[in-house]
Amino acid sequence: AQSVAQPEDQVNVAEGNPLTVKCTYSVSGNPYLFWYVQYPNRGLQFLLKYITGDNLVKGSYGFEAEFNKSQTSFHLKKPSALVSDSALYFCAVPIAGNTGKLIFGQGTTLQVKP
Amino acid sequence: KAGVTQTPRYLIKTRGQQVTLSCSPISGHRSVSWYQQTPGQGLQFLFEYFSETQRNKGNFPGRFSGRQFSNSRSEMNVSTLELGDSALYLCASSLVSTGAFYNEQFFGPGTRLTVL
Repeated sequence: AQSVAQPEDQVNVAEGNPLTVKCTYSVSGNPYLFWYVQYPNRGLQFLLKYITGDNLVKGSYGFEAEFNKSQTSFHLKKPSALVSDSALYFCAVPIAGNTGKLIFGQGTTLQVKP
Repeated sequence: KAGVTQTPRYLIKTRGQQVTLSCSPISGHRSVSWYQQTPGQGLQFLFEYFSETQRNKGNFPGRFSGRQFSNSRSEMNVSTLELGDSALYLCASSLVSTGAFYNEQFFGPGTRLTVL
C-alpha cells in the first residue's frame, strides 16, 4: 500500500536560514510524490511534484525537493526561509492507477521566526 | 482562470440533520475529489468523481455520498450528522489527460462544518 510519513510535527527555523521539511515514502512501483502547503483557513496549494527524472525538483515560491530513492525520502527544502513561509506542509502520494486519490502525510507545521 | 470554489464556506448544523456542500472545479477539469480534514485524523480521502461517475471511494460510512453533474460541478451530502463530522471539507479538481498520470490536484478553500 502507498504511504508517506512526515516524522516531524513541527519545524522551527530563523528567517534567512535554510529549511528542510522531511518526508519518507513507501510505494510499490514508480514513486510519484507531491508537496502541498496550507495557510490558515485556506485550502491546500500545490508546491511541486516528482514524477521521474532529475532528483532535484523545483517548485513554487522558491521551494525545491530532493528525491532520494535509496533512502525513500522526498524532503522539501528552501535555501532561505521567510516568515511568510510559516504554514502547514503536507507530502502526498497517489494510489496506484490514474485516479484522483491522494494519501497525505500527517503534516508538518513550519514556524519561521524573524 | 478561476480556481476551485466551494460553497458555503461555513456551516453550523445540529446532530441528526443533513448537509449538502458544493464544489465548482477549475474550467476544463473533469476529476473532482473530496477530502475531510480534522486535527485528529488529518486529511482523509472521501471520494472522487470523473465524468459523473464515482471512480474511487474512501473508508467512510454510507452517510457520506456525492455526485457530479455534467458540467463537472460536484456536491457531497452528509446525512444524519454526528458530532464527529465536524471538519474542514476540501474539494480538489484535476485535469485528466491521456497518457499523463497524476496531474496535480487544485484545492478549494474548503467548507468548515460544525456539528452541534
